[in-house]
Amino acid sequence: GEDVEQSLFLSVREGDSSVINCTYTDSSSTYLYWYKQEPGAGLQLLTYIFSNMDMKQDQRLTVLLNKKDKHLSLRIADTQTGDSAIYFCAESIGSSASKIIFGSGTRLSIRP
Amino acid sequence: DTAVSQTPKYLVTQMGNDKSIKCEQNLGHDTMYWYKQDSKKFLKIMFSYNNKELIINETVPNRFSPKSPDKAHLNLHINSLELGDSAVYFCASSQGQGSTEAFFGQGTRLTVV
Repeated sequence: GEDVEQSLFLSVREGDSSVINCTYTDSSSTYLYWYKQEPGAGLQLLTYIFSNMDMKQDQRLTVLLNKKDKHLSLRIADTQTGDSAIYFCAESIGSSASKIIFGSGTRLSIRP
Repeated sequence: DTAVSQTPKYLVTQMGNDKSIKCEQNLGHDTMYWYKQDSKKFLKIMFSYNNKELIINETVPNRFSPKSPDKAHLNLHINSLELGDSAVYFCASSQGQGSTEAFFGQGTRLTVV
């Protein structure tokens, strides 16, 4: 089946690292993504990882992929108030990536 | 120079009406999607079109009918609107064959009263 799961909420202190976790079920995923949705806005791609990679770093963002456990995580270093948003994990299904399945989203809140 | 544009941004309508949401992308992508995001922020795929052909149709009521006049457009027509149709609808596009990114529109907030 196709399912992507995330915890719904995460609260971190400003300046700390945030780690958002995601698990997925479909082993045929081509790409795995992290999207960010700010209040009242559309979805913005933050980063992605190809399914044959296990890590990708992009400035403050680190993506870790454990393909054996079907586990994806997003680490945000030095979390800032502007990072407050909902973060969606997603996977593309099949070789043509014609279907993208999203998790339920994790609402990240930053406390002072 | 909006990549994926949807209109209207907001739509308030009465139960039983028929309405359409338009989507256009200027990225030259060959795959377009419609997603529904409910009040709990769950995003569910509804339809996927590749080169104007329907390739995914999830369990969506027949009242929803996508129409793709060309590769750059995927419109969503909804007949006999119900209260439960209230949601934010997102259009997206990607270049298939292992796309690294789907570009999303800003969403259309549909409220059925």
